[in-house]
Amino acid sequence: GAVVSQHPSRVICKSGTSVKIECRSLDFQATTMFWYRQFPKQSLMLMATSNEGSKATYEQGVEKDKFLINHASLTLSTLTVTSAHPEDSSFYICSARDPWSEAFFGQGTRLTVV
Amino acid sequence: AQKVTQAQTEISVVEKEDVTLDCVYETRDTTYYLFWYKQPPSGELVFLIRRNSFDEQNEISGRYSWNFQKSTSSFNFTITASQVVDSAVYFCALSGRETSGSRLTFGEGTQLTVNP
Repeated sequence: GAVVSQHPSRVICKSGTSVKIECRSLDFQATTMFWYRQFPKQSLMLMATSNEGSKATYEQGVEKDKFLINHASLTLSTLTVTSAHPEDSSFYICSARDPWSEAFFGQGTRLTVV
Repeated sequence: AQKVTQAQTEISVVEKEDVTLDCVYETRDTTYYLFWYKQPPSGELVFLIRRNSFDEQNEISGRYSWNFQKSTSSFNFTITASQVVDSAVYFCALSGRETSGSRLTFGEGTQLTVNP
């Protein structure tokens, strides 16, 4: 089946620094990718929809200047958490899908801001 | 608006028991897809099943079975003869063609613990 690779799986960074998370679709072209955030013991909340070649669409309440999304190619989307703070610590997971197939998820990235 | 409700926050069973995880959904779309995912402690989401709104046939895959009832907007998941390795959080999700494109709306998840 299709594979989505997310990197890094775990990152610890200092408050005020920026962190970039990569999401790659390994064997199919993904014109759309999704970024989710999951707090401990909670569900996945959609942050933004990443569209290849155009600006991302952010969900209400998500700061687009803080969570920069770039979808430069059909196989790569990146999420950059800028000026990270401890409250940004969370599990971030990306998803890519062919239209109307199951969504394939990356392995997730556990971000800890200290 | 779309909504997925998993009323059971936590379920605890003893190994070999059967367990059913409930999922109720709301959508205005006439064409939609329902999913179940398993999330073990590692965090990775494992795809279990996808069902489209026009296919109400129940499905069985090994110890797993799914009951899709359009009349009650439910898509329940049953594990037969549960095993310790089934312990995980299970998410039900919905994707509606007309209103949401291909984004998924997740339920709150059900934490299943299977005790030896």
